[in-house]
Amino acid sequence: SQQGEEDPQALSIQEGENATMNCSYKTSINNLQWYRQNSGRGLVHLILIRSNEREKHSGRLRVTLDTSKKSSSLLITASRAADTASYFCATNLYGKLQFGAGTQVVVTP
Amino acid sequence: DAGVTQSPTHLIKTRGQQVTLRCSPKSGHDTVSWYQQALGQGPQFIFQYYEEEERQRGNFPDRFSGHQFPNYSSELNVNALLLGDSALYLCASSSTGEAYEQYFGPGTRLTVT
Repeated sequence: SQQGEEDPQALSIQEGENATMNCSYKTSINNLQWYRQNSGRGLVHLILIRSNEREKHSGRLRVTLDTSKKSSSLLITASRAADTASYFCATNLYGKLQFGAGTQVVVTP
Repeated sequence: DAGVTQSPTHLIKTRGQQVTLRCSPKSGHDTVSWYQQALGQGPQFIFQYYEEEERQRGNFPDRFSGHQFPNYSSELNVNALLLGDSALYLCASSSTGEAYEQYFGPGTRLTVT
């Protein structure tokens, strides 16, 4: 069974716009991680936020975490066509990652 | 520095057969985890190996087994293949001292006919 749920399931935007996706989860976590996957291949680690952190930035990525609501969000600013991919959140409890079903993002030029 | 490597890239098997998938972790990593990703779904945790022992296991039947070697590389074995075992199998490696950030390989696409 999936631990997290991403919302929306799919997102279509134009280059230069911001993309926001949300993740909700059910159990306690050590940290929460976001991954990107292109065309059904391996996952690329984007960012990790610890359970005692509320916000984290990495380049054009901004992640928030609200442990009281068991939710997280990923914001990609100034999107590019190369950002077209599926994005997954994964909760981490003692090294066991549990993924949601993902958000498919399409960025059109 | 080589990342996580997996072999083979693609594999086609018949129902009832057995399959072995291989994974070499990123240099410096000692923990290997395996995931199954069905089409359109997120990856599902199968199990994790550390110090040649299975440390954690997800909700998968005993047909799924694994092994870790002294050089930290790992194998995933699946017996009595079912059509539902068709999926992308992902290997991830990590170092126990780094907050469990996992690095994924490109995956092995298994098709069971």
